[in-house]
Amino acid sequence: EAGVAQSPRYKIIEKRQSVAFWCNPISGHATLYWYQQILGQGPKLLIQFQNNGVVDDSQLPKDRFSAERLKGVDSTLKIQPAKLEDSAVYLCASSLSRPDQETQYFGPGTRLLVL
Amino acid sequence: DQQVKQNSPSLSVQEGRISILNCDYTNSMFDYFLWYKKYPAEGPTFLISISSIKDKNEDGRFTVFLNKSAKHLSLHIVPSQPGDSAVYFCAASGPGTSYGKLTFGQGTILTVHP
Repeated sequence: EAGVAQSPRYKIIEKRQSVAFWCNPISGHATLYWYQQILGQGPKLLIQFQNNGVVDDSQLPKDRFSAERLKGVDSTLKIQPAKLEDSAVYLCASSLSRPDQETQYFGPGTRLLVL
Repeated sequence: DQQVKQNSPSLSVQEGRISILNCDYTNSMFDYFLWYKKYPAEGPTFLISISSIKDKNEDGRFTVFLNKSAKHLSLHIVPSQPGDSAVYFCAASGPGTSYGKLTFGQGTILTVHP
């Protein structure tokens, strides 16, 4: 079974530029998550989708971050404009989200450096 | 507000000995707990989980213990192997949050010496 795919793996941009990350979840997983992991910290949930609807985006900085999940499969996370403090690893995860199948499976992440 | 805390940034253990990683939480509504392992340049990998209706769950060399009254959980690895060297995150979820939403601790770097 293929895992969660993410691209690009690395990205370096200047502040105030825009950037986009792509995620393809495990086939059949209804729920998709985007996390931000700053160095030395645990992952922090940015947004959670159930199929193509948003379940939780309470910690998404909506003035600069946006995300969509087209047709309930792939997802894109965008930052526009980027700030220095956005330097982090952006992780995508997916799950079946059934009561007996709550485990989230993570992709390799995209490491973003904002200069 | 750090609802899940791993107070030990790092742990060093000799191969073959027991590794004990600790995690504390403050939200009494959490009812499902997980441990993830992360190697450099990879995403976190699920290791083991425990529901609040249990106080222990075992999977091979890995055992998770849950003490609900103390709001504390621990991961025991016996025997420890050099390949276990990684960052370990505990995470928690529960009612009152969106279904499946995980809150992670800061992580503990485990180093197992040959």
